[in-house]
Amino acid sequence: SQTIHQWPATLVQPVGSPLSLECTVEGTSNPNLYWYRQAAGRGLQLLFYSVGIGQISSEVPQNLSASRPQDRQFILSSKKLLLSDSGFYLCAWAKGGGGDGYTFGSGTRLTVV
Amino acid sequence: SQQGEEDPQALSIQEGENATMNCSYKTSINNLQWYRQNSGRGLVHLILIRSNEREKHSGRLRVTLDTSKKSSSLLITASRAADTASYFCANHGSSNTGKLIFGQGTTLQVKP
Repeated sequence: SQTIHQWPATLVQPVGSPLSLECTVEGTSNPNLYWYRQAAGRGLQLLFYSVGIGQISSEVPQNLSASRPQDRQFILSSKKLLLSDSGFYLCAWAKGGGGDGYTFGSGTRLTVV
Repeated sequence: SQQGEEDPQALSIQEGENATMNCSYKTSINNLQWYRQNSGRGLVHLILIRSNEREKHSGRLRVTLDTSKKSSSLLITASRAADTASYFCANHGSSNTGKLIFGQGTTLQVKP
């Protein structure tokens, strides 16, 4: 069966520090991968998506970047965190065009102080 | 913004009652999906309705879709305290990228 792992679960980082969040998927190949951010009490905002290794599409201009070094690995990064980067980050995968639904990871709560 | 809206933003009911949540979207869709999120957790896919469908059932869930009004509703019948969560609709457009555009969600509280 397919599983998705996202870590860490919580993270407190000082302003100006770097960030690396990792997401891996098991049990499938060539998944579409997505990073979303959720502000407190709000909906999800799509940050990045990837349809293949090395293929990254950015949805909104921001202080973050994403990479897909392997088929089932998706990394969210920042060189210097801002206070506004705080939020709940969710990784998800879908097969093909995502028409059958996403499977989400358990999320990372990032607090920038 | 491509995001749609959901209403109500918050809903509080007694166990055993039905809960109805509505969702409006702005762009054309391939399908409309509903997700559930327990506090501080990831989202779980509940049910999907395709653009050529008008109603779909899954257990205690009933979803309707009106493409002429660009709206959908999720009905949870005979609610339980364990149904307490946030519920989101998500618009899947006709795209190979599979991008989902999420609404702002409805927070449902079911009181025992």
